Amino acid sequence: DIQMTQSPSTLSASVGDRVTITCRASQSISIWLAWYQQKPGKAPKVLIYKASSLESGVPSRFSGSGSGTDFTLTISSLQPDDFATYYCHQYSSFPYTFGQGTKLEIK
Amino acid sequence: EEQLLESGGGLVQPGGSLRLSCAASGFTFSNYVISWVRQAPGKGLEWVSAIRGSGDITYYEDSVKGRFTISRDNSKNTLYLQMDSLRVEDTAVYYCVKEGQRTWGQGTLVTVSS
Repeated sequence: DIQMTQSPSTLSASVGDRVTITCRASQSISIWLAWYQQKPGKAPKVLIYKASSLESGVPSRFSGSGSGTDFTLTISSLQPDDFATYYCHQYSSFPYTFGQGTKLEIK
Repeated sequence: EEQLLESGGGLVQPGGSLRLSCAASGFTFSNYVISWVRQAPGKGLEWVSAIRGSGDITYYEDSVKGRFTISRDNSKNTLYLQMDSLRVEDTAVYYCVKEGQRTWGQGTLVTVSS
C-alpha cells in the first residue's frame, strides 16, 4: 500500500500569510494526487487535482506542485475563509490512500 | 452538472447489516470507476472500496474485506455498498466519489451502536 505522509498536522497562521503543506508518498504516484479542503460537517471540497491542476471556481491563491513522491499545496495569501482542514489523496493505485490531514488555525 | 447522492445510512446494532446507495447524474455512469470513502467522527478520510465501470472488478480496504460488498446497476445509474457484520468502528459518514476524485456526494451517516 502507498503511505501518504502529510505535514504539518497543525499549522497556525495569520490572514495574509503564505503557507505551504507538504505530502510525501512512500512510492511514486506520478501526478495522481489531489488536495481537499474540509470544514466541519461538510464534504471535502477539491482544490487541486492531478497534482497541479486548479479546480474550476477555486481561487488562484491556491496552487499545487510536485510529481513522483513529493508534493506541496501553497496558499499565497491566507484569507479568513481558508481556515479549515486540508488533506492530500493519492489515486495512482488501489488501495487509494489519504494523508492524515493538516488543521490550519488562526494565529 | 455531475452529481452523486448517497442514501441508506442510519443506526444499526453491532453485527447488523445496512445497504448504502449512491445515485449518479450528469455523466455517463457506466464509464467510470466509483469509490466509497468514509470519515469516522473527528477523524480523517479513509478509502473503503471501488468498482470498475463494467462492475467486473472490485477493490477493498483490508478492514472491510469479507464484510462489505460493492456493486452497481448501470441501468439505474446507482452504486451500492452492502455492509454486513458491522462493527462500532465502522461508524462514519460514507461518501461516494467519481473516478478522478473531483466529484463527491454529500455523504450519509452510518452509526453502529447498541
